[in-house]
Amino acid sequence: DIQMTQSPSSLSASVGDRVTITCRASQGISNSLAWYQLKPGKAPNLLLYAASRLESGVPSRFSGSGSGTDYTLTISSLQPEDFATYYCQQYYSTPYTFGQGTKLEI
Amino acid sequence: QVQLVQSGAEVKRPGASVKISCKASGYTFTSYYMHWVRQAPGQGLEWIGIVTPIGGTTTYAQKLQGRVTLTTDTSTSTVYMELSSLRSEDTAVYYCARDGSGSYSWFDTWGQGTLVTVSS
Repeated sequence: DIQMTQSPSSLSASVGDRVTITCRASQGISNSLAWYQLKPGKAPNLLLYAASRLESGVPSRFSGSGSGTDYTLTISSLQPEDFATYYCQQYYSTPYTFGQGTKLEI
Repeated sequence: QVQLVQSGAEVKRPGASVKISCKASGYTFTSYYMHWVRQAPGQGLEWIGIVTPIGGTTTYAQKLQGRVTLTTDTSTSTVYMELSSLRSEDTAVYYCARDGSGSYSWFDTWGQGTLVTVSS
């Protein structure tokens, strides 16, 4: 199985800050990486796929980059609604696996 | 719009089985595979498996192999997940999620989640 190591596990930031979350795969995954936002009591929300493609309807302050084994999610200017938990996920091979999550707090 | 609506919360005894439904609407059901994912309390996301809408071909996470069954009903655009021999560690919110590209990719639409509680 491909292990996904996400960091940091938690992050304190303020509105307007730029934040970066990283995800490292245990082997190359050829940009087969997605990022999701989770809020309590709500369905998870797809933010990006193919490492850097923004899902329709997702604000452009979200961006993704990376290649091989190392990937990043960047939020350019935090908004109040962005405080949530974020997960990376590889879909290069089954079983699909997720990072441990990053809780973004005020 | 694309929508996945899941059945309601369940409380089960250890050793019992649970079957959750996920009704799809707003798109051509037969064109997209469906995944299931779960999240135990205070834990991260765990992929359970994938099912094709036609033919019902499945791939399961090895951890749950033998206890989980994914099926589809194309007449009602509904996907089902059945988990047997329930244990306390199966307590989680279970989600269905549509495959974003149609087959073996990201998850672009998720159901609202179904809480399954396993307790004696």
